[in-house]
Amino acid sequence: QQPVQSPQAVILREGEDAVINCSSSKALYSVHWYRQKHGEAPVFLMILLKGGEQKGHEKISASFNEKKQQSSLYLTASQLSYSGTYFCGTGRPSGAGSYQLTFGKGTKLSVIP
Amino acid sequence: DTEVTQTPKHLVMGMTNKKSLKCEQHMGHRAMYWYKQKAKKPPELMFVYSYEKLSINESVPSRFSPECPNSSLLNLHLHALQPEDSALYLCASSQGVALWEQYFGPGTRLTVT
Repeated sequence: QQPVQSPQAVILREGEDAVINCSSSKALYSVHWYRQKHGEAPVFLMILLKGGEQKGHEKISASFNEKKQQSSLYLTASQLSYSGTYFCGTGRPSGAGSYQLTFGKGTKLSVIP
Repeated sequence: DTEVTQTPKHLVMGMTNKKSLKCEQHMGHRAMYWYKQKAKKPPELMFVYSYEKLSINESVPSRFSPECPNSSLLNLHLHALQPEDSALYLCASSQGVALWEQYFGPGTRLTVT
């Protein structure tokens, strides 16, 4: 089932902060965050796992509330390069020992000078 | 080397044509994926290969046929496509199937006429 992201879009001035939320109606095993710039491939930002482990870029921070089945991505002191569409993906086991991601609809972030 | 390459970058094909998309990674990853992405939509999972075996097929029509010749290569064979199949086709790879970040290639922009 597709996770729900909010907000759908946000406009920031350079230096401002933003929070992007991701929630699921089903239990989460992992939450993955990606950023995609127009015309480019999605780029990995962060993965958050049950139990609190995180992997990702040092300048990106995120939280994962397993009980509430929610994750938030925190963008601080935004730069122009932060512009793009942010996708959260929720991971779950899927038969035959496999695992799959389902992405939310995305949050379009625009940072202006 | 954290690069996933895809060829061709652009492809225009008629509904009676047969074509193939290619994807390659040299990161030693054991899982590879095909996603379909329509404009302003999130990537949608099509196929997952784990250790060169197909582990997930997300109810994709048979006109799309994946192939994994070896651990570095992934192909997507296309036959008798429909105009609604026009999209960006993204390949991704990850070290393992579960709980690992995925690295995406730049995609193949497919237009079916």
